Amino acid sequence: GAVVSQHPSWVICKSGTSVKIECRSLDFQATTMFWYRQFPKQSLMLMATSNEGSKATYEQGVEKDKFLINHASLTLSTLTVTSAHPEDSSFYICSARVAGASHGEQFFGPGTRLTVL
Amino acid sequence: AQSVTQPDIHITVSEGASLELRCNYSYGATPYLFWYVQSPGQGLQLLLKYFSGDTLVQGIKGFEAEFKRSQSSFNLRKPSVHWSDAAEYFCAVGRLGGADGLTFGKGTHLIIQP
Repeated sequence: GAVVSQHPSWVICKSGTSVKIECRSLDFQATTMFWYRQFPKQSLMLMATSNEGSKATYEQGVEKDKFLINHASLTLSTLTVTSAHPEDSSFYICSARVAGASHGEQFFGPGTRLTVL
Repeated sequence: AQSVTQPDIHITVSEGASLELRCNYSYGATPYLFWYVQSPGQGLQLLLKYFSGDTLVQGIKGFEAEFKRSQSSFNLRKPSVHWSDAAEYFCAVGRLGGADGLTFGKGTHLIIQP
């Protein structure tokens, strides 16, 4: 149980285009999902918290107009990187917290490798 | 703001030997602490977590960790490593019982020598 999937697993795009990444909780409902970014050989950095039916909360320094997050259902959150540039190339990982869990264990997706040319 | 320090970037251990990965945290209240493992092409897998209670926590795959408030540490241990343990290990601290996003350390890359 508690499986989180991401799609696509990797994507290559041209500079200036937009890319959408999906994060799905497959066997549980997630009122809260989180988006992280991981640079090579680096740690995961929290980008934003996505709550179902409400606006995402972004961490300091993360451009909300560049990284659009939508959490339209209890099993799906999407991250859209708008007008992508090479510096946006990274590994994007989502996690989902089980709705109603007393302690917020997060289950992580396998990540999406984004390369912007 | 909370922070997590994993002082060892790489650790090499012989198969069958014991392992200890260090983690120090900085947090103003009672921390919620986690250890995750990341293998290539895989998502992060939770090894164990500490919320409260017994300071020695048992996890999956034979791992354990001990919470030491006086040292602000949450070191991960395993008595005998297997080649399949080679991976990246991350220590993380959470706010609000983990209901908020996690703050991760930079990770420790574990190499297993035959």
